[in-house]
Amino acid sequence: KQEVTQIPAALSVPEGENLVLNCSFTDSAIYNLQWFRQDPGKGLTSLLLIQSSQREQTSGRLNASLDKSSGRSTLYIAASQPGDSATYLCAVRTGSAGNKLTFGGGTRVLVKP
Amino acid sequence: GAVVSQHPSRVICKSGTSVKIECRSLDFQATTMFWYRQFPKQSLMLMATSNEGSKATYEQGVEKDKFLINHASLTLSTLTVTSAHPEDSSFYICSAPGSGASEKLFFGSGTQLSVL
Repeated sequence: KQEVTQIPAALSVPEGENLVLNCSFTDSAIYNLQWFRQDPGKGLTSLLLIQSSQREQTSGRLNASLDKSSGRSTLYIAASQPGDSATYLCAVRTGSAGNKLTFGGGTRVLVKP
Repeated sequence: GAVVSQHPSRVICKSGTSVKIECRSLDFQATTMFWYRQFPKQSLMLMATSNEGSKATYEQGVEKDKFLINHASLTLSTLTVTSAHPEDSSFYICSAPGSGASEKLFFGSGTQLSVL
């Protein structure tokens, strides 16, 4: 059974600092890994999707890396802003059927102005 | 990008009543939709997979008679919480895979259910 863990559970940084969010998974036989952002009481917004054959994906200030063999992914957010405050979730797709995702517990980020 | 619309955003109901939540794919067709449940400060747990024109597939431990799912068209899936009780209070979110080569999942804005 796939298990996804995110560390730390919460993170508080001053504006301008870089953010590093970690995600680990137990079953390395994944199809892809996706990072999401969730604001309080809201749905999820997809940030980046990394296929199992890829090492990283970049979008603006966001960069996500994937090391499938070690079961790890890292989301980097450069030059953090107060608007980056949210919960960040990683999810992995495992198995051959459908788009079932297994989610981590999330990292709650607070960027202080 | 693809848009998934979920309604209502918030429901407060009395214990014993049934509540229906709708999930619509606005600009694409979705033969499959997923329903998740999220407790405060916890992650999302998959409840069931909704399949257009056929029965939903429920995850282990999820009561089929409690959480009725209907996927009557390629753009609409509904989740009905029957005879709701306070322990059913939670945040419910639906999602659908995007069309084409993208394997991204697009999520609705969620429904906060509070059962008194």
